[in-house]
Amino acid sequence: DIQMTQSPSTLSASVGDRVTITCRASQSISSWLAWYQQKPGKAPKLLIYKASSLEGGVPSRFSGSGSGTDFTLTISSLQPDDFATYYCQQYNSYSTFGQGTKVEIK
Amino acid sequence: QVQLVESGGGVVQPGRSLRLSCAASGFTFSSYAMHWVRQAPGKGLEWVALISYDGSNKYYADSVKGRFTISRDNSKNTLFLQMNSLRAEDTAVYYCAVVKWEFEEGGAFDIWGQGTMVIVSS
Repeated sequence: DIQMTQSPSTLSASVGDRVTITCRASQSISSWLAWYQQKPGKAPKLLIYKASSLEGGVPSRFSGSGSGTDFTLTISSLQPDDFATYYCQQYNSYSTFGQGTKVEIK
Repeated sequence: QVQLVESGGGVVQPGRSLRLSCAASGFTFSSYAMHWVRQAPGKGLEWVALISYDGSNKYYADSVKGRFTISRDNSKNTLFLQMNSLRAEDTAVYYCAVVKWEFEEGGAFDIWGQGTMVIVSS
């Protein structure tokens, strides 16, 4: 099974900050990676698919990069609506999620 | 409007069974693979099961293999998850989700239901 490891688990940041979350796969997954945002009590929302493709309607301040085993989600300028938990997901082999990164207000 | 609506959650005793449903609307259900994902209280997301668009292929997480069965009725645009021999660790919100691309089994999930809560407790 493919394991996904996200870091950090928690991130404290301020509005306007540039934020980076990393995700590492236990084996190569090519570019078969997605990123989701989840707010309390809500279903996850797709942000990025195929490592770097922005889902329709998602603000351009979100971007993804990487391939193989190492991936990054970047928020270029953190907005109040972005405080949430973020998950990576591999879909190279079935599906596995990372453990999540909570972005908190500093 | 594309929509997934889960139902069937509730409180159940350990060892008993429960059947979840996910009603789909607003898209061609029979062309898309479907997944179940769960989230224990205060925890992260865990993939549970996958069924291909035509129901011919089914895959499960090791944690539920042999106890859970995924199925679908394309004539009724409905996905199911039959959960047997339930354990306390199965307590979670269960989401159904659609793969972004037609006929692909794996993929990003672009549509999610609102979730249904399952509590396994005596």
